[in-house]
Amino acid sequence: RKEVEQDPGPFNVPEGATVAFNCTYSNSASQSFFWYRQDCRKEPKLLMSVYSSGNEDGRFTAQLNRASQYISLLIRDSKLSDSATYLCVVNSVGGYSTLTFGKGTMLLVSP
Amino acid sequence: EPEVTQTPSHQVTQMGQEVILRCVPISNHLYFYWYRQILGQKVEFLVSFYNNEISEKSEIFDDQFSVERPDGSNFTLKIRSTKLEDSAMYFCASSEARDRGPEAFFGQGTRLTVV
Repeated sequence: RKEVEQDPGPFNVPEGATVAFNCTYSNSASQSFFWYRQDCRKEPKLLMSVYSSGNEDGRFTAQLNRASQYISLLIRDSKLSDSATYLCVVNSVGGYSTLTFGKGTMLLVSP
Repeated sequence: EPEVTQTPSHQVTQMGQEVILRCVPISNHLYFYWYRQILGQKVEFLVSFYNNEISEKSEIFDDQFSVERPDGSNFTLKIRSTKLEDSAMYFCASSEARDRGPEAFFGQGTRLTVV
């Protein structure tokens, strides 16, 4: 069973659209959850942490459903610069907080 | 803004050779990591390092690999006797403290090509 699963996409949306990505994780004891973005052949960059109560950062909203082991990311008013691969990331339990990455969902925002 | 820096950005090596990838983590961070990403695949954890010792490692991190913090700033990954399948992007990362959750910050990566 894959540890962190995401729809690979690509999601093709026009500028200004709202788009949502989902992610499921297999380890019910995971404690920390993140969305990273990765541009082509670049390093992953932390977009936002995901908290149980849900959290918002500008146009980005993240939600966590522990019962369903499900994480979501909503992007409102998409910009061309949002085009990237969005990585769902979960920490591994036990000790020193290693990260388990999903394969990512590709977003392409067009004019 | 503080950042993790890695050198070289690209390394080409012959199969069987040893390579050393270098990283300078963010200065006040205590936890250091190496990850790798084979082209077209997901980012995979290799090893974490804290207080001058390995704290956790994955199945990928076998005897071919070693890490070291030779001085107060550098953090290195050594790959002995490289194989073709070691070709990947290798990312170094660091985080401030475990209690904050692993908000790890990544370096720009070293692209290793084994020929």
